[in-house]
Amino acid sequence: KAGVTQTPRYLIKTRGQQVTLSCSPISGHRSVSWYQQTPGQGLQFLFEYFSETQRNKGNFPGRFSGRQFSNSRSEMNVSTLELGDSALYLCASSLSGAPSYGYTFGSGTRLTVV
Amino acid sequence: GNSVTQMEGPVTLSEEAFLTINCTYTATGYPSLFWYVQYPGEGLQLLLKATKADDKGSNKGFEATYRKETTSFHLEKGSVQVSDSAVYFCALSDRDSNYQLIWGAGTKLIIKP
Repeated sequence: KAGVTQTPRYLIKTRGQQVTLSCSPISGHRSVSWYQQTPGQGLQFLFEYFSETQRNKGNFPGRFSGRQFSNSRSEMNVSTLELGDSALYLCASSLSGAPSYGYTFGSGTRLTVV
Repeated sequence: GNSVTQMEGPVTLSEEAFLTINCTYTATGYPSLFWYVQYPGEGLQLLLKATKADDKGSNKGFEATYRKETTSFHLEKGSVQVSDSAVYFCALSDRDSNYQLIWGAGTKLIIKP
């Protein structure tokens, strides 16, 4: 079966712009979680969507937002980009949202803010 | 709050050496524990997991035992290969984290032929 697909793989944006990243989960998976990975802060949880509703949210500013569509595809948006937003953004899909029951990660979107 | 502490890397070993990567955790409840691996340029893959005390997770020759008395989940492999070179992350999930993953900093493993 197809894995988790994240698009685009690489992105370069200018400070102050906004960006939208996309994640298509494994077919049948209703939960999508987003994580930010940076060399300084490591892996940090952004938010989780389940059946089109944000169910959990990490400790990130309001510039970071997301949504999920009826087909479970999810997008995350970052507005007013800052240099510190440069990171690898990973999404993970699962049936229920609990890692114990299985998480599958995508390859990530590498965002560079210049 | 919950946290995960991993040994700092990089860890450099010769092929066929024994591997141990230490992981300890802090949690108020009874977390599930995980090891994920990240190969260069790729996302994260679940390597193994354990959901209760004394459980042993194993996969691809790697093992880790959930030790509640020492709050540890050390990763071991008896004989490493060059292809095991990657970054390894220890993580936990429990009710206090709303079942989302709390990650260690990652340990880079380099295996020399």
